[in-house]
Amino acid sequence: DAGITQSPRHKVTETGTPVTLRCHQTENHRYMYWYRQDPGHGLRLIHYSYGVKDTDKGEVSDGYSVSRSKTEDFLLTLESATSSQTSVYFCAISGRDRNQPQHFGDGTRLSIL
Amino acid sequence: AQSVAQPEDQVNVAEGNPLTVKCTYSVSGNPYLFWYVQYPNRGLQFLLKYITGDNLVKGSYGFEAEFNKSQTSFHLKKPSALVSDSALYFCAVRPEYYGNNRLAFGKGNQVVVIP
Repeated sequence: DAGITQSPRHKVTETGTPVTLRCHQTENHRYMYWYRQDPGHGLRLIHYSYGVKDTDKGEVSDGYSVSRSKTEDFLLTLESATSSQTSVYFCAISGRDRNQPQHFGDGTRLSIL
Repeated sequence: AQSVAQPEDQVNVAEGNPLTVKCTYSVSGNPYLFWYVQYPNRGLQFLLKYITGDNLVKGSYGFEAEFNKSQTSFHLKKPSALVSDSALYFCAVRPEYYGNNRLAFGKGNQVVVIP
């Protein structure tokens, strides 16, 4: 398995609180991604990074911010969590070559009450 | 923009029977195509990919996929399904040259293998 660690694996928090999810990789890959997975919607891209301090929005970026200060870490922050952000969040990584797959972490299950 | 369609929400198959999970795609230029499997409470695991060359691609756990350019399809197949193949399957695509490195995923197919 690719060296991807997501933390925490589970979190329950209240509406309006800030939440930060961490993705750590040991593969030295250039690209990192944050997805959310919800029933009926499949995987939806939130934000991605193509290098240190280089990030861009995905299809469902509202309410989320990201930071990448070093190659191995990609943080996803919910500034003020809402119940609609209850979901399972996955981090993925990929190398420079377009013919290579993305590799996924095991996810963070986030519940916002 | 690239997109993937997986037309069936759930695929039911008896153990030992052939398994097919359908995928059609839309992309500018040539596609790079991928299949993933997801077991409960786990992330997506890469199964196989089509880059170029032979239209029949072999992957992990006895799975294979057939690329058909004229039909823009990349169906996943397994000759004899196992109960342990019960999982969620995702097809994904990105163009060979254009745009960023993002993958477009289908919504996934739940496969249920009946003992």
